[in-house]
Amino acid sequence: DGGITQSPKYLFRKEGQNVTLSCEQNLNHDAMYWYRQDPGQGLRLIYYSQIVNDFQKGDIAEGYSVSREKKESFPLTVTSAQKNPTAFYLCASSMGAGPYYEQYFGPGTRLTVT
Amino acid sequence: GDSVTQMEGPVTLSEEAFLTINCTYTATGYPSLFWYVQYPGEGLQLLLKATKADDKGSNKGFEATYRKETTSFHLEKGSVQVSDSAVYFCALNYTGGGNKLTFGTGTQLKVEL
Repeated sequence: DGGITQSPKYLFRKEGQNVTLSCEQNLNHDAMYWYRQDPGQGLRLIYYSQIVNDFQKGDIAEGYSVSREKKESFPLTVTSAQKNPTAFYLCASSMGAGPYYEQYFGPGTRLTVT
Repeated sequence: GDSVTQMEGPVTLSEEAFLTINCTYTATGYPSLFWYVQYPGEGLQLLLKATKADDKGSNKGFEATYRKETTSFHLEKGSVQVSDSAVYFCALNYTGGGNKLTFGTGTQLKVEL
């Protein structure tokens, strides 16, 4: 079955540690995205990538980094510079980067930093 | 910039009641509009979409019509079920280019027997 895999589902880290969230898709989609969701808020875009080896900052990129070395993979690193890293992180992909392409979401990773 | 405003929740209904969740938007250009649904502990699923004015998106008994004159995209369902309990997000694509979605804050729907 085609889809988006995010692992792990729950992740716990100590403050000051970097942590990398995995996102893999086998939909052969060109574009991939990372969103952050906080309670009572909509999703906010962290980074997105339209093609391999290229990515752009979203609305809240500070304290995060990404890479896109393979079409199917778009890992997100939450660095120690992110002031409030505890959140639910959602990865998405779309066939293309144009305005009519649907975004498909993974199941999410809930990160807790203490 | 672009923005989406949704009615605040939670919305609590009895099974078989009529549902309306309001959504209005502000955007330059002509965005595509979407409704996504999120069940507890899961990612988002696309529920329906409309790409131009007067389009009606529909899926699983839910409908929404793209109203350019009122900049609205209200979600409706004639008869809700307990299984419809979830959080519903209205979204538009970023008209500045690419496919960056701008989301509303979400509306939680609770359907009771």
